[in-house]
Amino acid sequence: QKEVEQDPGPLSVPEGAIVSLNCTYSNSAFQYFMWYRQYSRKGPELLMYTYSSGNKEDGRFTAQVDKSSKYISLFIRDSQPSDSATYLCAMSWEGAQKLVFGQGTRLTINP
Amino acid sequence: KAGVTQTPRYLIKTRGQQVTLSCSPISGHRSVSWYQQTPGQGLQFLFEYFSETQRNKGNFPGRFSGRQFSNSRSEMNVSTLELGDSALYLCASKGAYEQYFGPGTRLTVT
Repeated sequence: QKEVEQDPGPLSVPEGAIVSLNCTYSNSAFQYFMWYRQYSRKGPELLMYTYSSGNKEDGRFTAQVDKSSKYISLFIRDSQPSDSATYLCAMSWEGAQKLVFGQGTRLTINP
Repeated sequence: KAGVTQTPRYLIKTRGQQVTLSCSPISGHRSVSWYQQTPGQGLQFLFEYFSETQRNKGNFPGRFSGRQFSNSRSEMNVSTLELGDSALYLCASKGAYEQYFGPGTRLTVT
């Protein structure tokens, strides 16, 4: 079993829809949670990062962490074709030097 | 603030050769990590450096090595290249706990 599980998709939704992306994890030591967006042939771009449980909102993006369920989510409101990319969740524990990544979900927003 | 820079962006090498990749972190960041990204394995941690010291290493063979200089710039080296080393090599610069990635070096081994 992988430490971080993420549905690879692909996920295809119409423009303007609300997108929900999710990851589950098994290591209860994870404290830091990140979401990255990666366009084809580019490096991952940090979208959101949170510490421990709770919600964080930034524009059209909302990140949620539920540590009791070992489940994190990224919501994208009013999705745009430019949001079409692969979304990666990543997590780490206190004092960690590395991130553990999910496999990434390929998302397409159709005009 | 300038982001993470990596050079070169693309490389084509043949089996048995060696390669050196370079990374300059965000100004003020002292921790640099390297990751390998492949379609099959996703993003995998190679190693991390802080103040010129390797603090952590992933599960990769000894052919993969790295170093960090006093200005925080880092290099990674892969010796005796194999076809399976073809991948996107990413460098990340660490803030408080979040990591910022560079554009990557795409290595193709033929």
